[in-house]
Amino acid sequence: GENVEQHPSTLSVQEGDSAVIKCTYSDSASNYFPWYKQELGKRPQLIIDIRSNVGEKKDQRIAVTLNKTAKHFSLHITETQPEDSAVYFCAASRYGNTGKLIFGQGTTLQVKP
Amino acid sequence: DAGVIQSPRHEVTEMGQEVTLRCKPISGHDYLFWYRQTMMRGLELLIYFNNNVPIDDSGMPEDRFSAKMPNASFSTLKIQPSEPRDSAVYFCASSLSGVSSPLHFGNGTRLTVT
Repeated sequence: GENVEQHPSTLSVQEGDSAVIKCTYSDSASNYFPWYKQELGKRPQLIIDIRSNVGEKKDQRIAVTLNKTAKHFSLHITETQPEDSAVYFCAASRYGNTGKLIFGQGTTLQVKP
Repeated sequence: DAGVIQSPRHEVTEMGQEVTLRCKPISGHDYLFWYRQTMMRGLELLIYFNNNVPIDDSGMPEDRFSAKMPNASFSTLKIQPSEPRDSAVYFCASSLSGVSSPLHFGNGTRLTVT
């Protein structure tokens, strides 16, 4: 069945450094790839998403890249700040409104001041 | 908009009791999803609805779980009888146009079954 693998499971960086989280997916028909951020005790919230017709997307300090051939996509956070500390989830779904949004297992990011 | 509203925020119950979780989606969103989050299994999709109709319930763990959406503004997830392994955070989410549009999550219900 569909599967999304996410690495690493934990990541610790110094404030100001960059952080990279990587995901691979199994369903070659997947074409929507969102990233959610979940702070401790809070709900997941969408921070950025990308569709398969785009290779890269940026929003201020956050960027996502997609390699459809290799079936992997990555989240890049530059100039990390303590408030970036959270659990980050990648996800993948097929084109259209039906089907499932499959989440990765999550990456706990700690930004040390 | 107040966002997706879930109740209760916390629920503690004894094994064997019935549990009902409630959700009010964002007005105008045609899709509603129920997810369960645990440390071991992460975020799991239990069931989702489109225009109040259940579309995929393959994630519902067993017959003890049931979900309904009687109208566009209300959904319930029921567990009867509850078991300790059902302890988790249950999230409801809604979206405008299915899984290829942003999901808006509620604050979740933390369920503890003793």
